Amino acid sequence: SQQGEEDPQALSIQEGENATMNCSYKTSINNLQWYRQNSGRGLVHLILIRSNEREKHSGRLRVTLDTSKKSSSLLITASRAADTASYFCATDNFNKFYFGSGTKLNVKP
Amino acid sequence: SAVISQKPSRDICQRGTSLTIQCQVDSQVTMMFWYRQQPGQSLTLIATANQGSEATYESGFVIDKFPISRPNLTFSTLTVSNMSPEDSSIYLCSVEDYASPTFGSGTRLTVV
Repeated sequence: SQQGEEDPQALSIQEGENATMNCSYKTSINNLQWYRQNSGRGLVHLILIRSNEREKHSGRLRVTLDTSKKSSSLLITASRAADTASYFCATDNFNKFYFGSGTKLNVKP
Repeated sequence: SAVISQKPSRDICQRGTSLTIQCQVDSQVTMMFWYRQQPGQSLTLIATANQGSEATYESGFVIDKFPISRPNLTFSTLTVSNMSPEDSSIYLCSVEDYASPTFGSGTRLTVV
């Protein structure tokens, strides 16, 4: 990808379990964002974390950012079947947004 | 947040032809962006379109293949020229919206 890699590429868990996805990026950033995409449909913005923040919560989502390692993680707690989607991180560099390679999450009911 | 209308939503095109995708925003924006998402892949930035100047293309994308127009602050077009099956992708426009990009619903292009 233009920006970096996400791992794992695919993740399959049972409903109720937690899902953790990781994102690495290459350049310095202003902020990092996570998006969800259901089956090739539109992107849904989940959460934004600024470069001076280390952790952020939104509902069942927890995002961490380590600028020294150029990495971020997205944790979805108590997953649901409806969380099944692809998840992408995106970083902005001079107003251009670059996306990671994405993680396909499958939550089995 | 900004609302983006993108059309067509999908098209099936013959190889060698060109398709122009339109993106209309309900508010004036300085920068508009065009992305490509190949099947099963992440989004790749094609170019940045500023009103009144030529688009800025990312590495691997050229103006001859993906000409872009930006006639005003609410509208842009992306043309996919001389298409081949490898151009089959979803193409999305986006605008920066309070530090988070907002995306159009995308154009699913199939080249046969």
